[in-house]
Amino acid sequence: EAGVAQSPRYKIIEKRQSVAFWCNPISGHATLYWYQQILGQGPKLLIQFQNNGVVDDSQLPKDRFSAERLKGVDSTLKIQPAKLEDSAVYLCASSWDYRQETQYFGPGTRLLVL
Amino acid sequence: EDKVVQSPLSLVVHEGDTVTLNCSYEVTNFRSLLWYKQEKKAPTFLFMLTSSGIEKKSGRLSSILDKKELFSILNITATQTGDSAVYLCAVGLEYGNKLVFGAGTILRVKS
Repeated sequence: EAGVAQSPRYKIIEKRQSVAFWCNPISGHATLYWYQQILGQGPKLLIQFQNNGVVDDSQLPKDRFSAERLKGVDSTLKIQPAKLEDSAVYLCASSWDYRQETQYFGPGTRLLVL
Repeated sequence: EDKVVQSPLSLVVHEGDTVTLNCSYEVTNFRSLLWYKQEKKAPTFLFMLTSSGIEKKSGRLSSILDKKELFSILNITATQTGDSAVYLCAVGLEYGNKLVFGAGTILRVKS
């Protein structure tokens, strides 16, 4: 079974630029999550999708972050404009549905904002 | 505010030692507690615990949950260098399957 795929693996941008990350969950998984993991901290949930609907985006900084999962499969997370404090690893995870606790993570995208 | 605290923050042991990692939590609407191992890539799932007092085992790793005292421990016996990683504890909440993570414990096993 293929795991969660993410791209790119690394990205370096300057502040005020925009950046986008892509995630393809495990086939058949209805629920998709985006997490931000700042160095030395645990992952923090940014947004959760159930199919193509948003379940929880309470911790998403909506003035600069946006995410979509238009067809209920893959998803993109965008930051525009980026700030220095956005430097982190962005992890995507998926689960069968919102009632299934075990989330499977992708390799992450490491973002550095200069 | 939901909170998960792990201790110690880091530790260094020698191969063959036994280690115990701790996770305490204060959350509303607890549903489950999960342990993940994170090397230089994706966190990989280790255990999920929902019932108090029942130990889960996988090889040299084991974990137990105490829902009365609101904590869990992860034990690793006969440690190997391949056990070196960050171990993350997360609590699953009742509604929406949200996970709240601790900051992790950095384990380094020296040969």
